[in-house]
Amino acid sequence: AQSVSQHNHHVILSEAASLELGCNYSYGGTVNLFWYVQYPGQHLQLLLKYFSGDPLVKGIKGFEAEFIKSKFSFNLRKPSVQWSDTAEYFCAAPGGSYIPTFGRGTSLIVHP
Amino acid sequence: DAGVIQSPRHEVTEMGQEVTLRCKPISGHNSLFWYRQTMMRGLELLIYFNNNVPIDDSGMPEDRFSAKMPNASFSTLKIQPSEPRDSAVYFCASSLETFGGYTFGSGTRLTVV
Repeated sequence: AQSVSQHNHHVILSEAASLELGCNYSYGGTVNLFWYVQYPGQHLQLLLKYFSGDPLVKGIKGFEAEFIKSKFSFNLRKPSVQWSDTAEYFCAAPGGSYIPTFGRGTSLIVHP
Repeated sequence: DAGVIQSPRHEVTEMGQEVTLRCKPISGHNSLFWYRQTMMRGLELLIYFNNNVPIDDSGMPEDRFSAKMPNASFSTLKIQPSEPRDSAVYFCASSLETFGGYTFGSGTRLTVV
């Protein structure tokens, strides 16, 4: 079965620190990769997506992610986090029938 | 665009009762997905529709769960009879393509007591 692994379950940072959240997927075919964010008490929102082309993808709110095919990875980064980035972050990658399978999520807490 | 609209936002029901969750996808989106989110299991895909047709319902936990999409603008997820372990947040999402980026609704928080 296809799987998506997010290595960090909980991350705690201070404002202005740099962020990198790991994501690895097992699917070996054509990939469509996503990062979603879920702010406390809210629904999931799309941060960024990769379908093809430049492996470095820019998203909203200063986030970016890099697709490394050889490592089956799609890590999320932000150079300087803010308190408002406190949220749950989900990576998604193709599962069966190209339907994205979601990782378990990473809880990010940013201290002001 | 109003986005994906789910109702109700919160539902508290007694064990054994029937529960119906509703979803209105974004107009023009041809794929619709029902997810369940719990602390223990994370985000699970229950079923998805493409052009109103159920494509994969392998994620539906058991026969107590059923989903319909009678037209392009409406879908329901029904649990009958409900059990306490069904307590979760149920999200509906839609997309233009099956593998595209999803737009999620605000979810229905279901509590079965």
